[in-house]
Amino acid sequence: NAGVTQTPKFQVLKTGQSMTLQCAQDMNHNSMYWYRQDPGMGLRLIYYSASEGTTDKGEVPNGYNVSRLNKREFSLRLESAAPSQTSVYFCASSEMRQAPGANVLTFGAGSRLTVL
Amino acid sequence: KNEVEQSPQNLTAQEGEFITINCSYSVGISALHWLQQHPGGGIVSLFMLSSGKKKHGRLIATINIQEKHSSLHITASHPRDSAVYICAVKRRGATNKLIFGTGTLLAVQP
Repeated sequence: NAGVTQTPKFQVLKTGQSMTLQCAQDMNHNSMYWYRQDPGMGLRLIYYSASEGTTDKGEVPNGYNVSRLNKREFSLRLESAAPSQTSVYFCASSEMRQAPGANVLTFGAGSRLTVL
Repeated sequence: KNEVEQSPQNLTAQEGEFITINCSYSVGISALHWLQQHPGGGIVSLFMLSSGKKKHGRLIATINIQEKHSSLHITASHPRDSAVYICAVKRRGATNKLIFGTGTLLAVQP
């Protein structure tokens, strides 16, 4: 099925461990994003990639790194996890098309990360 | 003050009621999204608006650019409409980055 696939869905880490969240989309979108969602707060942008080969920091990039491996894949890495990074992470992709209303924004199912 | 404010934060309705969720923003925008998130579930894009009104089934979204306000209406609400509804805006002149509201939690009771 077309869409955004992110893995893993759940992960528990100890403080200081590292991990990578994987995201892939098959809609040929140029732009991809990583957000985190915390209780009582709106989605916050960690990093985004406007196109293959480019990445930029969002609102809350500290403690994270990203790689836009190719047009399909955009991974998020936690080098040394901290309890403050306990959150639900969403990958998304989008394409702003010329036709009115044809903007497409698609999210993955989310990854729940707990750092002990 | 958040740049995107939603009201109400929580809403409980009876099945069949007409529901309105509001979104106000303080920045110039080029587009506004309405998103739906079911409990424990992913996020689905419902509408993208830059002006006027859009309708999809029982959902209607309107936007007033001059007043910096958008509304999401649900007609003949149903328990399956229970979800968090999120408003997000794309700042005018910005890249693809969105600013999100904190969401409205809707519970429709049978």
